[in-house]
Amino acid sequence: GAGVSQTPSNKVTEKGKYVELRCDPISGHTALYWYRQSLGQGPEFLIYFQGTGAADDSGLPNDRFFAVRPEGSVSTLKIQRTERGDSAVYLCASSAQAGAYNEQFFGPGTRLTVL
Amino acid sequence: AQSVAQPEDQVNVAEGNPLTVKCTYSVSGNPYLFWYVQYPNRGLQFLLKYITGDNLVKGSYGFEAEFNKSQTSFHLKKPSALVSDSALYFCAVRGWDTPLVFGKGTRLSVIA
Repeated sequence: GAGVSQTPSNKVTEKGKYVELRCDPISGHTALYWYRQSLGQGPEFLIYFQGTGAADDSGLPNDRFFAVRPEGSVSTLKIQRTERGDSAVYLCASSAQAGAYNEQFFGPGTRLTVL
Repeated sequence: AQSVAQPEDQVNVAEGNPLTVKCTYSVSGNPYLFWYVQYPNRGLQFLLKYITGDNLVKGSYGFEAEFNKSQTSFHLKKPSALVSDSALYFCAVRGWDTPLVFGKGTRLSVIA
């Protein structure tokens, strides 16, 4: 079956602009996660959704970052007033349920470059 | 705070030889441990996990990992390496109600 998909695969924007990154999880997966991966680092947790609600947003770096999942499926990560330091690969993952024992399945990522 | 250490940035091994990629962790309570592999221009792929039970867990592509509670380690192993195993490997840990935390990754290079 289809895996996690993310669009766009690449996004180049200018400092100060607004961007939206989209994630389409595996069908039927109730938990959805966003991570950010900088060069030479492992993924860093940003936020996770259980259904439509954000169950844990403790990883969001500041209030310029926001994410939604209005119908419990597709999610959008929104970044306002982008800064050069936001440049990274943004990864989305989903799992069948939110429990700690469930492995997460990752999408290919969106490479964001802020000029 | 929970954390993962992968002490080796790079591991080189000859094809056909056994390989080990090291991981140690710190977490409150019972650990839930995972290994992922990342190939160039592809997403992270799940390899295996330890939840409870047998300390030796088997996963995809012939990989296995050994959980050692006293040493807080979860090393990834394979008896005979293949050139196609060359990739970036990530160890990750979470507690029952905490986010998944990843190590920095170890680049495995299998030489023919």
